[in-house]
Amino acid sequence: GAVVSQHPSWVICKSGTSVKIECRSLDFQATTMFWYRQFPKQSLMLMATSNEGSKATYEQGVEKDKFLINHASLTLSTLTVTSAHPEDSSFYICSARVGRVSNQPQHFGDGTRLSIL
Amino acid sequence: GESVGLHLPTLSVQEGDNSIINCAYSNSASDYFIWYKQESGKGPQFIIDIRSNMDKRQGQRVTVLLNKTVKHLSLQIAATQPGDSAVYFCAENQYGNTGKLIFGQGTTLQVKP
Repeated sequence: GAVVSQHPSWVICKSGTSVKIECRSLDFQATTMFWYRQFPKQSLMLMATSNEGSKATYEQGVEKDKFLINHASLTLSTLTVTSAHPEDSSFYICSARVGRVSNQPQHFGDGTRLSIL
Repeated sequence: GESVGLHLPTLSVQEGDNSIINCAYSNSASDYFIWYKQESGKGPQFIIDIRSNMDKRQGQRVTVLLNKTVKHLSLQIAATQPGDSAVYFCAENQYGNTGKLIFGQGTTLQVKP
């Protein structure tokens, strides 16, 4: 149980393009999902918390107009990287939490590797 | 084999040995901790968790120990196998019911056949 699916797994696109990444909870409902960014050989850095039916909460230093998050249903959150540039190239990973209490693990998707040329 | 301190990112052990991966957390108010395993090119995979009202929890071949006095967490893997080779992250819940996790720097576990 608690499977999170992320799509696409790999994206290569030109500078200036906008890219949408989907995160789905397949066998549970997730009122809260999280988006992370990971550079090679580094840890995961939280970008934002995605709340179903309300605005996302962004971490300090993350541009909300550049990284648009939509969580329109209990099983789907999307991250759109707008006007992507080479410095946005990274491994983007989403996670979802089962339930609403803090002492439940987040379950992660398999990430999206974004390469901007 | 055992990772020593926070700044040794790689632990190399012989197949069949026990592994100990250490982690220091930052916030004494953190109430929930998780160990994740991340294989190359994949997302983190849940291994085991522990709440702050416990000091030990066991799973299948894994044990997590929590020492709140020194803010230290460890993951013990018994009879380490080649399939255990991965990067291991500890994560702490610092922010109550927000569910936000703060991840440690990670330790690479290499299992030699």
